[in-house]
Amino acid sequence: AQKITQTQPGMFVQEKEAVTLDCTYDTSDQSYGLFWYKQPSSGEMIFLIYQGSYDEQNATEGRYSLNFQKARKSANLVISASQLGDSAMYFCAMSSLRGDTGRRALTFGSGTRLQVQP
Amino acid sequence: DTGVSQNPRHKITKRGQNVTFRCDPISEHNRLYWYRQTLGQGPEFLTYFQNEAQLEKSRLLSDRFSAERPKGSFSTLEIQRTEQGDSAMYLCASSLTRASGNTIYFGEGSWLTVV
Repeated sequence: AQKITQTQPGMFVQEKEAVTLDCTYDTSDQSYGLFWYKQPSSGEMIFLIYQGSYDEQNATEGRYSLNFQKARKSANLVISASQLGDSAMYFCAMSSLRGDTGRRALTFGSGTRLQVQP
Repeated sequence: DTGVSQNPRHKITKRGQNVTFRCDPISEHNRLYWYRQTLGQGPEFLTYFQNEAQLEKSRLLSDRFSAERPKGSFSTLEIQRTEQGDSAMYLCASSLTRASGNTIYFGEGSWLTVV
């Protein structure tokens, strides 16, 4: 079974500062993927960044970077230069990669609500 | 708009009635997923399809829930004899099997309120 833990129910950050959202995971699978999604109040889940378990480098996408520490089973999201529009719920998720049928469905954490203050 | 499309976006229904949600995935995506999300929680997996085949169902998917993807394109999620506990947002997502770019894309969700 897979499990995602997000221990920060809410976070505040000042505009233009960096913020780290924590995510730890548990799985017995050797091959898996880690995702971060943003969910604004409108409800849509917006894909931010992906990290494969065998990727040697940490993933980056613009202002988003994923601090992947495999031995510690953590996949923290770092948002640099926060903007007011970054205020939203952020979900960490993972899926296993099965050789025969490809990616299994995502398992999500409980989320972190980020509020960016001017 | 070539993203995942869901409708209706909002549905209010009386307890005991049946409701159906539709999802149109990104056109070349052969995988389609349904999730349920209640307030303050992360999405919970319900079921997924690869083409028209339903490959996995969560135990959350009681016998009042049924999902179909008859031609491997759009999908419907039907809830029969709705209960107040069914009030949630129902999210649809799609991807390629060997997800190029390793991305699963979500729609905007369908909010259900059972009164």
